[in-house]
Amino acid sequence: LAKTTQPISMDSYEGQEVNITCSHNNIATNDYITWYQQFPSQGPRFIIQGYKTKVTNEVASLFIPADRKSSTLSLPRVSLSDTAVYYCLVGAVNDYKLSFGAGTTVTVRA
Amino acid sequence: EPEVTQTPSHQVTQMGQEVILRCVPISNHLYFYWYRQILGQKVEFLVSFYNNEISEKSEIFDDQFSVERPDGSNFTLKIRSTKLEDSAMYFCASSELGGADYGYTFGSGTRLTVV
Repeated sequence: LAKTTQPISMDSYEGQEVNITCSHNNIATNDYITWYQQFPSQGPRFIIQGYKTKVTNEVASLFIPADRKSSTLSLPRVSLSDTAVYYCLVGAVNDYKLSFGAGTTVTVRA
Repeated sequence: EPEVTQTPSHQVTQMGQEVILRCVPISNHLYFYWYRQILGQKVEFLVSFYNNEISEKSEIFDDQFSVERPDGSNFTLKIRSTKLEDSAMYFCASSELGGADYGYTFGSGTRLTVV
């Protein structure tokens, strides 16, 4: 499994855009990049997944450069309720176990 | 939006007792998982289950643990002879297909406290 590195914490204010960059230098050809969000005392929640270029859904955007050695999760116009831990995961089609790191604790202030 | 339902939300048990944690995965999902998170630590994989058998398990998932799909809807985790260090949040998850290229849906968890 590819190892991921992401910042431990980030602070932001309501209405701002938050960008979290994850480094995964040894990503393999058949690896996908997935981001999860976790609130205290709740299970992780799938946010977005991508393989290359850009993916956008109603919650976030995921930017993946051509070399795929990093990825950036973009949360537009955050609110207080976006305060959570965000995890970057890298895994392949035959990886049944997700490997969670420490994640990035995002704190949104009023 | 479909949900993974876990019961109970909290469970307190005495050391040495057996507990069964229950989960109802999303109905059309074929792969089921258990994860745990000790307070303040990472989310850890325990086991994956497909076609009525374990497809993968971690080092944590030793003989103390077992999983079962007793009927068409429930998925259970049994922990025998509980120890203090088994205290954690236990999360059930399911996915339509297996593999990290699919998003998993997690339940809200069962907080297990062993006293």
